[in-house]
This record gives sequence, C-alpha cells and structure tokens, in this order.
Amino acid sequence: GAVVSQHPSWVICKSGTSVKIECRSLDFQATTMFWYRQFPKQSLMLMATSNEGSKATYEQGVEKDKFLINHASLTLSTLTVTSAHPEDSSFYICSARARPGLAGDHTQYFGPGTRLTVL
Amino acid sequence: RKEVEQDPGPFNVPEGATVAFNCTYSNSASQSFFWYRQDCRKEPKLLMSVYSSGNEDGRFTAQLNRASQYISLLIRDSKLSDSATYLCVVNLSNTGNQFYFGTGTSLTVIP
Repeated sequence: GAVVSQHPSWVICKSGTSVKIECRSLDFQATTMFWYRQFPKQSLMLMATSNEGSKATYEQGVEKDKFLINHASLTLSTLTVTSAHPEDSSFYICSARARPGLAGDHTQYFGPGTRLTVL
Repeated sequence: RKEVEQDPGPFNVPEGATVAFNCTYSNSASQSFFWYRQDCRKEPKLLMSVYSSGNEDGRFTAQLNRASQYISLLIRDSKLSDSATYLCVVNLSNTGNQFYFGTGTSLTVIP
C-alpha cells in the first residue's frame, strides 16, 4: 500500500519554541494532506486540510497563526507549531490522499505520527 | 449530533470468538465508508473499505446499510493480534475531503 512518512517521530521541546513536523508521501503524489491531533484515549481530531499550492483550510477552533501549514509540493506538507506550550503536547498525525483519478484515491494513508511533548 | 457514532466499548472477547461492531452516520449523502485499525500509540491503518454489496477479507466482513445509515464490521475467529481500536470513517463524497472519524471501538482479545 501507499507509504506516508513523518519526521520527527517524537520531539521534546521547551515552552515557547517552535516545532516543525514533516509529512511526505513516498510512493504517490498527494494533492491533499490532512493534519490530525490525537489526545490520549481520544479519537483523531482534524486540524486542517491542505491542498498543494494553496492555503490550508483550518477546522473551527484551530488557530492558523499557531499551527502553520505549508504544502509546497505534491509529496511534502509541513506543520509548524509556533510558540509551543504544554497544552500543545499531543500525537500529531498526517495523512495523504492520492491525486484524483488513481485507484483508491478516496483513501487516506496515515503517517506514523509525531509525539510532541512540550515542557 | 456527531457525524459518526460508535460504541467505544471496550469489547473483551476470548480467542476464537466472533465479534461485531456497528457504526452509524448522520449524513445520508455520505458516499465512502472505511474501517481503520489503530494500535496503541500508532497511526490508523486502513483495514478495509466498505461497499454497498458488502465485502469480506479473510476473517473480516464489512457491511453497509444505507437505509439505516450504519456500517458494521464482523471479525470471526478472533486472534490475540486483533486487539486494537477500530475506527469507522465516513466521507461525504468520493472525491471530496469531508472525512469524519468515529471515536473508535476498543477490542481486547483474551487468551
């Protein structure tokens, strides 16, 4: 199946610093990538949807100036958590969706996630 | 009302048992349906898509009931390795990006 990678897999940082997470589709072109956050024992919460070459669409309650998303190419999207605080500690997962027209293009393939801990 | 609702469980079943999960969705215009499996502290992985005619993959059978707006997943002959959280996912269209996740159903298979 399709492969999506995320880097880093885990990160610990001090309060006030910014953290960048990369999401790459390794064997397909992803016109759409999704960023989710998951707190312990809770379901995935969609943060934003990003389409290559355009601005991300943020879900209600997600601060776009705090969670900067860049989708500069068909295989790479980045999420930057700016001025991170302890309450931003969470499991961040990206997913990618193949370009329309390919078989299974309505399926999301998830990255392995990034565990962020803000001290 | 949530777009997708699942019984969170937990379901604790003995090895070899058959277990079924249901999931309901609120938008009758929903087009695509999926079951994902998520292990603890890991990312969700696609288990199977759900088609109107129902589909089977080994011990796993998924069914869709559009009239009642629910999706089911049946696991036969449960294995210890089936222990995970099963997420029901609904997309409002085959080409759009309106995916909705259920909160997941926790399954533990006991030796």
